[in-house]
Amino acid sequence: DVKVTQSSRYLVKRTGEKVFLECVQDMDHENMFWYRQDPGLGLRLIYFSYDVKMKEKGDIPEGYSVSREKKERFSLILESASTNQTSMYLCASRPTGGEEKLFFGSGTQLSVL
Amino acid sequence: RKEVEQDPGPFNVPEGATVAFNCTYSNSASQSFFWYRQDCRKEPKLLMSVYSSGNEDGRFTAQLNRASQYISLLIRDSKLSDSATYLCVVNPLYYGNNRLAFGKGNQVVVIP
Repeated sequence: DVKVTQSSRYLVKRTGEKVFLECVQDMDHENMFWYRQDPGLGLRLIYFSYDVKMKEKGDIPEGYSVSREKKERFSLILESASTNQTSMYLCASRPTGGEEKLFFGSGTQLSVL
Repeated sequence: RKEVEQDPGPFNVPEGATVAFNCTYSNSASQSFFWYRQDCRKEPKLLMSVYSSGNEDGRFTAQLNRASQYISLLIRDSKLSDSATYLCVVNPLYYGNNRLAFGKGNQVVVIP
């Protein structure tokens, strides 16, 4: 089974801190994604990557950046955390070609105080 | 108009009953359609893909209506374990496009 692992299940940070969320997948998938999920708003795409060092903005990239130095790892960076970035962050991956199935990590609940 | 719209519910369903709900999508060129299931405080997981001819997986049946631009999910003989949020997901562009559109989900609560 594909495994997508997010480094933290819960994280509490202070306003202005730089925050790193890490995601690792073990199935050699080309595509990786970062979403945030908020009550009443559903899942929204922040950034995605289709290859090492390649990235594309999603629907809500403001205040975030990403890094993909290795195929298995996709990092989400909050340069200066703000309270409106308190959310559930979900990482996902999928292969290129084949069934368009997303495999999600178990999520990181980030609270910015 | 939002890309994917769902009635959030909750849908309170007696155990053993049948429940059905729809999801509408705005882009008529959409190519791929999916239902994901998300349990409380868990990640979404693919429940089933939705094909033009419709498809069935046990007690779950999904249908696609391109003319009216909606997909549906029907759950027969509801079990307590079916309580979850069901997310409608649409690929609005070409196959392999990474910008999937997610609905906000239909929350289903199966009542004993």
